[in-house]
Amino acid sequence: GESVGLHLPTLSVQEGDNSIINCAYSNSASDYFIWYKQESGKGPQFIIDIRSNMDKRQGQRVTVLLNKTVKHLSLQIAATQPGDSAVYFCAETPIRTSYGKLTFGQGTILTVHP
Amino acid sequence: NAGVTQTPKFQVLKTGQSMTLQCAQDMNHEYMSWYRQDPGMGLRLIHYSVGAGITDQGEVPNGYNVSRSTTEDFPLRLLSAAPSQTSVYFCASRIRDSSYNSPLHFGNGTRLTVT
Repeated sequence: GESVGLHLPTLSVQEGDNSIINCAYSNSASDYFIWYKQESGKGPQFIIDIRSNMDKRQGQRVTVLLNKTVKHLSLQIAATQPGDSAVYFCAETPIRTSYGKLTFGQGTILTVHP
Repeated sequence: NAGVTQTPKFQVLKTGQSMTLQCAQDMNHEYMSWYRQDPGMGLRLIHYSVGAGITDQGEVPNGYNVSRSTTEDFPLRLLSAAPSQTSVYFCASRIRDSSYNSPLHFGNGTRLTVT
């Protein structure tokens, strides 16, 4: 990910609402995408992933959508809970490179109000 | 399994000092990586390893050395610390998976301050 300054995008929602977090990626060769959640003082935690041969994938309360035409990725969280408050990162990699070489976005701060 | 374990959790160094950040995983993962995270930025790859005896540079390798003598351990060395290396460092690992469907597993980080 490129440096875009010190101010992360933020999203504030009420408990029970649905949340949508967006990510634009830059590498047309990327074909594997991951969403991570990072709570304060902890390392990133895997949420869901998607390969470029899919445009949608669902998990438990989460859905990832991939639009390769405009290089856009989104994470939808259903019935958002206070425990979902965290920083969310998207990551991308071309499948031909080593898996350690993920490129991360800058992150989005999600705050869920009770 | 303990997962990915990083030590120490916190460290303060003076400019010019050296130190080693430790990373160990007990999941028999072949791939291991070091990232740094700075305020307002995503994680940036420093070095990575695809197996014991094999390492390569990532996006921001200058000022850091790594080695991989065993599958379990992947230490990161700062030979002469600089204030620009003040950051939170994360170690991550993953299984070797021919389908490339396995995500990275991260440790909880080492917060380093260089004065």
